[in-house]
Amino acid sequence: KQEVTQIPAALSVPEGENLVLNCSFTDSAIYNLQWFRQDPGKGLTSLLLIQSSQREQTSGRLNASLDKSSGRSTLYIAASQPGDSATYLCAVTQGGSEKLVFGKGTKLTVNP
Amino acid sequence: EPEVTQTPSHQVTQMGQEVILRCVPISNHLYFYWYRQILGQKVEFLVSFYNNEISEKSEIFDDQFSVERPDGSNFTLKIRSTKLEDSAMYFCASSLRTGRGNTIYFGEGSWLTVV
Repeated sequence: KQEVTQIPAALSVPEGENLVLNCSFTDSAIYNLQWFRQDPGKGLTSLLLIQSSQREQTSGRLNASLDKSSGRSTLYIAASQPGDSATYLCAVTQGGSEKLVFGKGTKLTVNP
Repeated sequence: EPEVTQTPSHQVTQMGQEVILRCVPISNHLYFYWYRQILGQKVEFLVSFYNNEISEKSEIFDDQFSVERPDGSNFTLKIRSTKLEDSAMYFCASSLRTGRGNTIYFGEGSWLTVV
């Protein structure tokens, strides 16, 4: 059974800092890994999707990498801003299943 | 940008009552999903729906739950007899396809409080 873990559970940084969020998964036979952002009491906003054959994806100040063989992904946020404060969720899909399996998330606070 | 819309945003219901949560997926999407998030816990998959039938469901999705696409635009989740433990945020999602490279888009969620 696939398990997704995100470390740390919470992170507080000063504005302008570069930071890395970590995601690990137990079964490396994934199709996709998707990073989401969740604001308090709100829905999930898709940030980046990495296919199993890809190593990384970039969107603006965000860069997500994937090491499928070791079961790890990282989300790099450059030059963090207070508006980046949110919970970041990592989720994977596997062959033969349509469902996303989520981690519990990392709650990021960027202090002005 | 197209989005998934959900109603109501918040509903309070008494234990044992029936609840229907509504969703309008992105218009050209073919796959539809319901997920839930109990406060402080992970987002959990409930069910996926394609071509007017359930394609996959989790062990959470028991006989008290049902889904329906009553017309060309709406997708609903019905909980027949709500329990206290059904209190959660319910997310609807949709995607154009499945498999590699498929991005799943989520709505803003419907908070369900069972009292």
